[in-house]
Amino acid sequence: NAGVTQTPKFRILKIGQSMTLQCTQDMNHNYMYWYRQDPGMGLKLIYYSVGAGITDKGEVPNGYNVSRSTTEDFPLRLELAAPSQTSVYFCASSWTGELFFGEGSRLTVL
Amino acid sequence: RKEVEQDPGPFNVPEGATVAFNCTYSNSASQSFFWYRQDCRKEPKLLMSVYSSGNEDGRFTAQLNRASQYISLLIRDSKLSDSATYLCVVTHTGGFKTIFGAGTRLFVKA
Repeated sequence: NAGVTQTPKFRILKIGQSMTLQCTQDMNHNYMYWYRQDPGMGLKLIYYSVGAGITDKGEVPNGYNVSRSTTEDFPLRLELAAPSQTSVYFCASSWTGELFFGEGSRLTVL
Repeated sequence: RKEVEQDPGPFNVPEGATVAFNCTYSNSASQSFFWYRQDCRKEPKLLMSVYSSGNEDGRFTAQLNRASQYISLLIRDSKLSDSATYLCVVTHTGGFKTIFGAGTRLFVKA
């Protein structure tokens, strides 16, 4: 049972580079989320989606973009990486209520 | 003001102790409430949902007070394995937008 799969698990970026964090779920959940978690802090919502073609901003959307072309996939794009984006990124999906998380993607921007 | 606020702790308790965590939320339109548990460097996992009538799951009891916009979690007979960060979670906007508190760290010692 795959659940929510995130790739890559680890990545080091240089300032100004771009990259996409991939997230795929196989549970046919409508709702998907991207969070970031800085060391010793809670999770902050970046973007969320209530279904294919529908996305909305969360608490900290600046510097990120998302798309939701299919129910399964919800990639997160960083266009111009900055040191402030060094964090652990979690993708999650939900049908109603409980969120199921991926294992996280650890991103360092140097 | 943060939308979901928790005492960050840490709470250091001996095995067998009873410990209580509190959480307040600011959005009166919040609809659903949860406690999640997060182990070090791992993804969060659902501990329990929180209902106005209160609910219990073994050694864990959760309460919701909508009038005071307050959520609590009580852990009885603490075990070493309860050591983790406990995250208060609130949803609104039709149940889609899910916001996490910063978490309360618990250390249970032998």
